[in-house]
Amino acid sequence: QITLKESGPTLVKPTQTLTLTCTFSGFSLSTSGVGVGWIRQPPGKALEWLALIYWDDDKRYSPSLKSRLTITKDTSKNQVVLTMTNMDPVDTATYYCARGSGYFHPFDYWGQGTLVTVSS
Amino acid sequence: QSVLTQPPSVSAAPGQKVTISCSGSSSNIGNNYVSWYQQLPGTAPKLLIYENNKRPSGIPDRFSGSKSGTSATLGITGLQTGDEADYYCGTWDSSLSLRYVFGTGTKVTVL
Repeated sequence: QITLKESGPTLVKPTQTLTLTCTFSGFSLSTSGVGVGWIRQPPGKALEWLALIYWDDDKRYSPSLKSRLTITKDTSKNQVVLTMTNMDPVDTATYYCARGSGYFHPFDYWGQGTLVTVSS
Repeated sequence: QSVLTQPPSVSAAPGQKVTISCSGSSSNIGNNYVSWYQQLPGTAPKLLIYENNKRPSGIPDRFSGSKSGTSATLGITGLQTGDEADYYCGTWDSSLSLRYVFGTGTKVTVL
């Protein structure tokens, strides 16, 4: 059974750095082709892809947010960490992590999501 | 800022059929597989269709997908109240750097 779960702060202040952790089970990030990505969804709005890290440490970022994002993995802990710097109220959203089933493949398993509010 | 355009909403009566379009370009839909995701109210998205027209295990055949050129379509037949949800198309895009893109989303309402 494949599961993913996001964890991190529910409230951050403007200009702070957000750190989110995705802890997963049922698959390994050392398996060829597998990746874990982050997607967010502001309240009432559409999904927005943020970043993805593959089994071979290949990393992909949204061009519009690339300067603010860093994605890393800890294969031994089955975790992927996303950091986003200089948070702003417009970054208020539910953040999801999801498994990428392979290069050029979709996200086939999703976490439940975690709501992050940016407010002073 | 999505590069994939969907109608904001579609609706039909129970038992009827709806189709949702997803319009893109040669840098995304035109050269990559399209997926569709279903997001029931208050829940995480779920993969509904992958590789244009394939269904993951457990997805009923009332859901179907197709692709032609730079557009894709999701079809839902035998509409049920439990199908009320937001639906998103998604695919890879290589116009700037390789990135994943989602559609603008479509709300399906069962009348």
